[in-house]
Amino acid sequence: SQQGEEDPQALSIQEGENATMNCSYKTSINNLQWYRQNSGRGLVHLILIRSNEREKHSGRLRVTLDTSKKSSSLLITASRAADTASYFCATSLRGNNRLAFGKGNQVVVIP
Amino acid sequence: DSGVTQTPKHLITATGQRVTLRCSPRSGDLSVYWYQQSLDQGLQFLIQYYNGEERAKGNILERFSAQQFPDLHSELNLSSLELGDSALYFCASSVGGITDTQYFGPGTRLTVL
Repeated sequence: SQQGEEDPQALSIQEGENATMNCSYKTSINNLQWYRQNSGRGLVHLILIRSNEREKHSGRLRVTLDTSKKSSSLLITASRAADTASYFCATSLRGNNRLAFGKGNQVVVIP
Repeated sequence: DSGVTQTPKHLITATGQRVTLRCSPRSGDLSVYWYQQSLDQGLQFLIQYYNGEERAKGNILERFSAQQFPDLHSELNLSSLELGDSALYFCASSVGGITDTQYFGPGTRLTVL
């Protein structure tokens, strides 16, 4: 079954603004990962947050995880035109390492 | 560059044919995963191999098969191709543990005409 439902699915912002995306999932997880995909290209791993972590930072990225609500958010601060891409959350379920991807958020950063 | 390589980048073939997609994992990674990305189904996990053995199976059709060789590269075989098999096929690799980050290759775009 599909885990990970990002919300909103499309976001258009001005350069310099912050972008926030949410992801919810249904079952217990090992970890949750966020990936970026530029149009038709490979997925780039952004950040991994484990089920026992609540918040993680990497450069301009901030990820939170709320296991009680089964949700995560990805915040991109001070967005740049190069951040224009699709962003996917993916959950790794307990007992295996296969990733279940959400439908993705399309983010457009307008220069 | 993730360190995962996939060949070919593009593949155009006809219905009923068979193709083989190849993946070389990052140096030192023992696990290889295959995913399919299509407009209607999104990103779907197909199959995982760990050190040559099948570890997990997802939404992989019976017409599809995969294997991981002793040098750890992997091949995904797609046979009796249908129009609906047109998609991007990604390979990913990880060190092997259940909490490892997966690193994705650039993908193979398969077009079935």
